[in-house]
Amino acid sequence: DAGVTQSPTHLIKTRGQQVTLRCSPKSGHDTVSWYQQALGQGPQFIFQYYEEEERQRGNFPDRFSGHQFPNYSSELNVNALLLGDSALYLCASSLGEYDTEAFFGQGTRLTVV
Amino acid sequence: DAKTTQPNSMESNEEEPVHLPCNHSTISGTDYIHWYRQLPSQGPEYVIHGLTSNVNNRMASLAIAEDRKSSTLILHRATLRDAAVYYCILRELEYGNKLVFGAGTILRVKS
Repeated sequence: DAGVTQSPTHLIKTRGQQVTLRCSPKSGHDTVSWYQQALGQGPQFIFQYYEEEERQRGNFPDRFSGHQFPNYSSELNVNALLLGDSALYLCASSLGEYDTEAFFGQGTRLTVV
Repeated sequence: DAKTTQPNSMESNEEEPVHLPCNHSTISGTDYIHWYRQLPSQGPEYVIHGLTSNVNNRMASLAIAEDRKSSTLILHRATLRDAAVYYCILRELEYGNKLVFGAGTILRVKS
């Protein structure tokens, strides 16, 4: 049973560019959440998708947007990249919005230069 | 968002028990206490959660104070593979499974 898979594992972008990160949830899971983890800090909640809608959002600007597809997979888009967007982006999946256990992927390491 | 306080780091000897403390004095009656850990170069991993009563599973035990203002994660026999950052999180019921991570406790295990 494949767990949460994220792609790509690493990428480097230039300031001002746009980036799309992808996440496939654990089999049977229908809810996807995205987190940003800066070096040496705990993950910070970006937003959560359920039934193809954004259900909750953390304190992140509109440059961060997402999408969930009918097969429950999800994308995170970041526009107008800043140096401060360099971080590990984590995707977590769960069964429903109130599931007690979230399963995390290994993350995408984004470096903005 | 609910807040927790944990020591920055702790050290343990292999094969010995480890008690990781967490203070959450502002906890409300419907907040669940969750523990996740993050091994090097991996995403966080669920460890255990509880509401009021102590909980045990194959990975660890969770001891919750009677007033719920603090809790302790207990690893019964630490191994080198338990070296990780341990996060104590209050999950607010009204926000579903949104997790608010703090800085966590870095656990070092010595052989």
